[in-house]
Amino acid sequence: DGGITQSPKYLFRKEGQNVTLSCEQNLNHDAMYWYRQDPGQGLRLIYYSQIVNDFQKGDIAEGYSVSREKKESFPLTVTSAQKNPTAFYLCASKPSGPSNTGELFFGEGSRLTVL
Amino acid sequence: AQSVAQPEDQVNVAEGNPLTVKCTYSVSGNPYLFWYVQYPNRGLQFLLKYITGDNLVKGSYGFEAEFNKSQTSFHLKKPSALVSDSALYFCAVRDASNAGNMLTFGGGTRLMVKP
Repeated sequence: DGGITQSPKYLFRKEGQNVTLSCEQNLNHDAMYWYRQDPGQGLRLIYYSQIVNDFQKGDIAEGYSVSREKKESFPLTVTSAQKNPTAFYLCASKPSGPSNTGELFFGEGSRLTVL
Repeated sequence: AQSVAQPEDQVNVAEGNPLTVKCTYSVSGNPYLFWYVQYPNRGLQFLLKYITGDNLVKGSYGFEAEFNKSQTSFHLKKPSALVSDSALYFCAVRDASNAGNMLTFGGGTRLMVKP
């Protein structure tokens, strides 16, 4: 089945460590997104990529990095520079083209806890 | 600029009663409107969308939403709530006049359905 796969589902990290969250999609979507969600809160955009080998900062990019070497993959690295990394991270994708309505397709999320 | 507001942080309803989750929006042109639902520790799931046509949109799990252009609203409704409907609901909007626009999400409304 087509979809977006995020891994790991749960991740624990010690302070000062970098960690990379995986996001893979087989929907053939051009655009991919990373959001952060804090408890009981809405979504905040970290980074997005409209096409391979290109990405832009979102509203809260500080302390995060991404790459887009393949259409299917958009990994997010949470660096030690991120002051409060404990959160739920959501990856999403969106098709392009004239029929695109902007609808996003989401993965199941990754919960990162810093110990 | 585009924006969306969900004025209620939480909505409480008894099982079997009708429910309404409110959403208002602001866009320069015509809106594309979406509702998503999020269960604990899960990604966002698409419920329904309004693109054009009939103002009453029917979606998954018996939910529906009514587009009201004069009131710039897109309230989510269900005739008879279930305990299993308890979740976090997000409204989102995109200005249809700009294909490059991303979705803007509301802050979310927590729906609590009590037996």
